[in-house]
Amino acid sequence: QVRLKESGPRLVQPSQTLSVTCTVSGFSVTSYHVSWVRQPPGKGLEWVGAIWKGGSTDYNSALKSRLSISRDTSKNQVFLKMNSLQTDDTGTYYCAKQGRGNYFDYWGQGVMVTVSS
Amino acid sequence: DIQMTQSPHSLSASLGETVSIECLASEGISNYLAWYQQKPGKSPQLLIYYASSLQDGVPSRFSGSGSGTQYSLKISNMQPEDEGVYYCQQGYKYPNTFGAGTKLELK
Repeated sequence: QVRLKESGPRLVQPSQTLSVTCTVSGFSVTSYHVSWVRQPPGKGLEWVGAIWKGGSTDYNSALKSRLSISRDTSKNQVFLKMNSLQTDDTGTYYCAKQGRGNYFDYWGQGVMVTVSS
Repeated sequence: DIQMTQSPHSLSASLGETVSIECLASEGISNYLAWYQQKPGKSPQLLIYYASSLQDGVPSRFSGSGSGTQYSLKISNMQPEDEGVYYCQQGYKYPNTFGAGTKLELK
């Protein structure tokens, strides 16, 4: 059974770094791409970035300078790090498994992150 | 980036009614179009991929169509559990981009 679960802090101070972990089961991160998608409260979905099954990464150009996505294949985990957080980075951060057509067929439950002092 | 324009912003439907949601891409996306349903406090759920392929476990009252830049999601026989926000997403070019969402309510 495919499952993704995000874990990370619920509260981050402005200018600090967000670190979120996506723990995957039911598939290998070396067999499928995994993306991060975020959603500000009451708003729509924004693709943040992805780590391809081969290990390379791609980022939303608007966030690229602040973003890093990596993985630990031995633990089947994917990591998101975003620095210099601001209040408009507040939202729910999801990890999602990608299907072949670059759609997202399985999503984690998400982690709600608030950027506030 | 490819812009995805969704319409309408919101709609309400009666039980058993058929509704349609439209999605217009700013350039051709070769059917790399997916539809998702999101309920309050939940993560999005994939309904349709490749414009018209039904995801496993999704009721057959959901269907997708379209080509080029214009796509639509049809929900036949509206049910109470169909309430939620619907998003389209293009997977043709990176960055993947989503429509702004359509809120569907039961009248």
